Amino acid sequence: QVQLVESGGGLVRPGGSLRLSCAASGFTFSDYYMTWIRQAPGKGLEWLSYISSRDNTIYYADSVKGRFAISRDNAKNSLFLQMSSLRAEDTAVYYCARGEYSSSSLDYWGQGTLVTVSS
Amino acid sequence: DIQMTQSPSSLSASVGDRVTITCRASQSISSYLNWYQQKPGKAPKLLIFAASNLQSGVPSRVSGSGSGTDFTLTISNLQPEDFATYYCQQTYSKPETFGQGTKVEIK
Repeated sequence: QVQLVESGGGLVRPGGSLRLSCAASGFTFSDYYMTWIRQAPGKGLEWLSYISSRDNTIYYADSVKGRFAISRDNAKNSLFLQMSSLRAEDTAVYYCARGEYSSSSLDYWGQGTLVTVSS
Repeated sequence: DIQMTQSPSSLSASVGDRVTITCRASQSISSYLNWYQQKPGKAPKLLIFAASNLQSGVPSRVSGSGSGTDFTLTISNLQPEDFATYYCQQTYSKPETFGQGTKVEIK
């Protein structure tokens, strides 16, 4: 069955860096685009970043552009989010989600990993 | 960026009721509109894709409609497991923005 498992979250000081990973299984990873979404405590969903399935077409939300970098390793069925210059407002649960091209929708989500930015 | 506005932000309903949530886009997005359900402490779950297509495994009491700028999610015969927060998302252009959410609570 399709599984997405995020890891790498934790407590980090303002200005610090963190690398999130998303391990995929149960499907052909290289056939799907992937997306990172976050949710601040008690708030709604915020779309962060997109990476295409094979040609590494990438997009970012303005809120993270220049600070976050998305990447993937299709050989290892893994998605990454390198986060730098972290701010208190980056505190959130970070989700990876699988994107289905034909429906243009996020059909499977991981359970999320919590990132807390605090001194 | 395309802004997505949901209404209402919250509503109270009883088991067996029919509820309707609307989502309005700041510009036309054709049918590039998805609906997700999220329960506390859980990841969102896809309910409807491309405005009106039911995701596999989602009960038929859930339906979606609309195109252009105005969209609707309807849940008929509300069940206890339907009390959750619902989000719309446009995938017409990047960034693929979400609405602010609609919380459906038990009356």
